[in-house]
Amino acid sequence: AQSVTQLGSHVSVSEGALVLLRCNYSSSVPPYLFWYVQYPNQGLQLLLKYTTGATLVKGINGFEAEFKKSETSFHLTKPSAHMSDAAEYFCAVSESDSWGKLQFGAGTQVVVTP
Amino acid sequence: EAQVTQNPRYLITVTGKKLTVTCSQNMNHEYMSWYRQDPGLGLRQIYYSMNVEVTDKGDVPEGYKVSRKEKRNFPLILESPSPNQTSLYFCASSPLGQTINEQFFGPGTRLTVL
Repeated sequence: AQSVTQLGSHVSVSEGALVLLRCNYSSSVPPYLFWYVQYPNQGLQLLLKYTTGATLVKGINGFEAEFKKSETSFHLTKPSAHMSDAAEYFCAVSESDSWGKLQFGAGTQVVVTP
Repeated sequence: EAQVTQNPRYLITVTGKKLTVTCSQNMNHEYMSWYRQDPGLGLRQIYYSMNVEVTDKGDVPEGYKVSRKEKRNFPLILESPSPNQTSLYFCASSPLGQTINEQFFGPGTRLTVL
């Protein structure tokens, strides 16, 4: 069975600073990995996903994440935070042999300060 | 407009009174899923469906039922709601492919069980 751990339930960053959100997973088979964003009072929206191939994945709004198998990590980064990045971010994992079942992390709330 | 709709958006009910939350998508997606979101726990999958008449349990199926008689609809049924089912519920859909695809989320249903 798979699981996801997001380090830090709240992160505060200054506008223009690096955004780094940490995600570690466990999976008994090759994983599929995702980052979703949730703006206030809305559903979730996909930022990026890793299934196979290139381990550095680029997503929308300038975000990217790198799959590191040896570290079982899939950290999300953005070089320069914007006020509009304030939201809750969720890492998720499914297993490649049963991908219908998706497990989310607890989420990280990002606050961007001027 | 391509979308996932949920009804009702808000519901307050009492313990034991059967209720149904409807979910409908107009994108001809094979895959649909229900999640509940609780503070500090992220999203947890309740049930999912890979296609019509095919459903499977997620991580927290107890107390819930689903059916998938038509491709576009995936209702969530609470036969005898209890206060611990007070939560924010999301329905999502996705096209099937060789690997997992982006899930499109509905706007959410906030349920309170008294």
